Parts: sequence; C-alpha cells; structure tokens
Amino acid sequence: DAGITQSPRHKVTETGTPVTLRCHQTENHRYMYWYRQDPGHGLRLIHYSYGVKDTDKGEVSDGYSVSRSKTEDFLLTLESATSSQTSVYFCAISGAGDREGYGYTFGSGTRLTVV
Amino acid sequence: KQEVTQIPAALSVPEGENLVLNCSFTDSAIYNLQWFRQDPGKGLTSLLLIQSSQREQTSGRLNASLDKSSGRSTLYIAASQPGDSATYLCAVRPGTYKYIFGTGTRLKVLA
Repeated sequence: DAGITQSPRHKVTETGTPVTLRCHQTENHRYMYWYRQDPGHGLRLIHYSYGVKDTDKGEVSDGYSVSRSKTEDFLLTLESATSSQTSVYFCAISGAGDREGYGYTFGSGTRLTVV
Repeated sequence: KQEVTQIPAALSVPEGENLVLNCSFTDSAIYNLQWFRQDPGKGLTSLLLIQSSQREQTSGRLNASLDKSSGRSTLYIAASQPGDSATYLCAVRPGTYKYIFGTGTRLKVLA
C-alpha cells in the first residue's frame, strides 16, 4: 500500500472534548487532505495542506483545525466535539501539483463517534 | 461551481455481465479524473487515473474513458464477478489541488 496511515482507527468521545486525528505518510508527498464521509453527502473536504505549515480551508471547515509541522504528519483537531461531527474521516495524499499531476491515495479512515 | 453526478446510484447485475458506470461533470476544465472503489467500512482504493490529455485508461477488466467536451466519463467492467461488488466513486480535479467527488454508484454482482 501507499504508505499512508491514520490513527486511531476508531474513537468514541464525549461531546465537548477535544479530539485529534493523525495522518502519517511515508511518500514525501507535498499535498495532504482531510475529508469526512457521511451518508447522503459523500466525501467533503475539511482542510488541506500544500506544504509544511501551509494549510487552507475546505468546504466544511467550521469546528475543525489542522496543523502540519512536518511533511509526513497532518493532524486534524476537533476543538470541542459535537454529535454532528460523528463521521468517518479520511486522509488523502497527492504528489506535486504540476499541470496534470497525480491522483489521490487514501488512508483507511477513522471512524469517530461523538456521544 | 463544479458538480459531479453518478448515475445510477445503485445497480444490481448477474455475474458475468459487462457493465458501464457513468460519471458526469459540469465544467470541462479539469486536469484529471480518478475512479475509486470503496468496500463497506473500508477506505477508497484508486482504480484508474485519466489525465485531461488522455481518452481512456485500462487496468485488467476495467476500462475508463474520458470525454472532456461533453463532461462525461464511463467505467466499463468486463465479465463482472461477485468480488466486484462495492461502491464506485469518480472524482475530478478542476484545476486546483482538490478533487470534487460524486456520490457513487453502489454495485452488487449476484452469483
């Protein structure tokens, strides 16, 4: 597989607590992404990173923050978890963004339940 | 705004049939298009990546075509097998570093 791992794989947390999900890659790819997948909504982009310390918002970024202090790690933090953030979270990586460019490679996902 | 649509949402076929999954997108200005497979409770596995300059890509029993001018892509699966049962997603890269995903076609191949 493409050297991308997510942790934890499953997590149950209480409303109001902070939660951090980790994405780790060994491909030295520049671009990293966090998506959430929900029934009826498909995959929606939360945040993405185009380099160390360079991040930007996606379409559903409210309530989430990210950090990328090293090329290989991209962290997603739910500042104060809510039940609406119960979802499956996927990390993806992509190589250099040249004109045509590379596709995505996905991690196995983190299933988060907020109770 | 780029939108990606996949029809049908679900499909059930007998084993051995050749089948076509459809993906349409509203803006033809894309860099590439990628087809993925997702098994229940699992992550997404890349099947085929078609660059904007290409018309098709093939991998084993899978063939994906791209017609940018009409905003369409098809995924052709030959001689379907029960192991092909999964959800198939297409995604387009509209000139940024972010893909836009369709909501998928859920395929069931009956033995």
